[in-house]
Amino acid sequence: ETGVTQSPTHLIKTRGQQVTLRCSSQSGHNTVSWYQQALGQGPQFIFQYYREEENGRGNFPPRFSGLQFPNYSSELNVNALELDDSALYLCASSLYLTSGGAVQYFGPGTRLTVT
Amino acid sequence: AQSVTQLGSHVSVSEGALVLLRCNYSSSVPPYLFWYVQYPNQGLQLLLKYTTGATLVKGINGFEAEFKKSETSFHLTKPSAHMSDAAEYFCAVRIAGGTSYGKLTFGQGTILTVHP
Repeated sequence: ETGVTQSPTHLIKTRGQQVTLRCSSQSGHNTVSWYQQALGQGPQFIFQYYREEENGRGNFPPRFSGLQFPNYSSELNVNALELDDSALYLCASSLYLTSGGAVQYFGPGTRLTVT
Repeated sequence: AQSVTQLGSHVSVSEGALVLLRCNYSSSVPPYLFWYVQYPNQGLQLLLKYTTGATLVKGINGFEAEFKKSETSFHLTKPSAHMSDAAEYFCAVRIAGGTSYGKLTFGQGTILTVHP
């Protein structure tokens, strides 16, 4: 039990729609990262937020966007859904360290299916 | 850019046998290295990490890993497998600083099967 929660657990959307996924960080953590895990693959880094600003992004198009709120909870928004967006979306929280050595604690994920 | 290669997408062992899951990384700077475990329909749980210091790292559930810079490896071992160890294991690397601070790069994963 990491203390990181995500909602909803499962979601089914139609191609072209928009979706919002939510994450609540572990208490005391000020950084949140989002990952996409396609079936049979390792997680792929989408982006990270620190102090409500994006401070790192992976190779994902702009239709993937996010927010971090003052209470350090976070949202992942995906516009114009495509079939390939079907995946498990993982949120991870951590405490920012300038060394980069902080451990990321993962939530249980949201399973998104795009039909 | 950093990368991670996990040798063997599937590993099968008998209960009580040695578990060895292989991980090699590529990084232009000293990396931070992690092993995570994922049970079906769940998120990732940290097993152990290497940041600095001792190269032999002990984690939860009897797992350990050794950072070998000369071999760019971070293999995960456990002396005696239990049925409850059956899961998917991911090796991950992270570098400090840069524009993708905090980015974990994961391997493709290794599914461990433990049979009686």
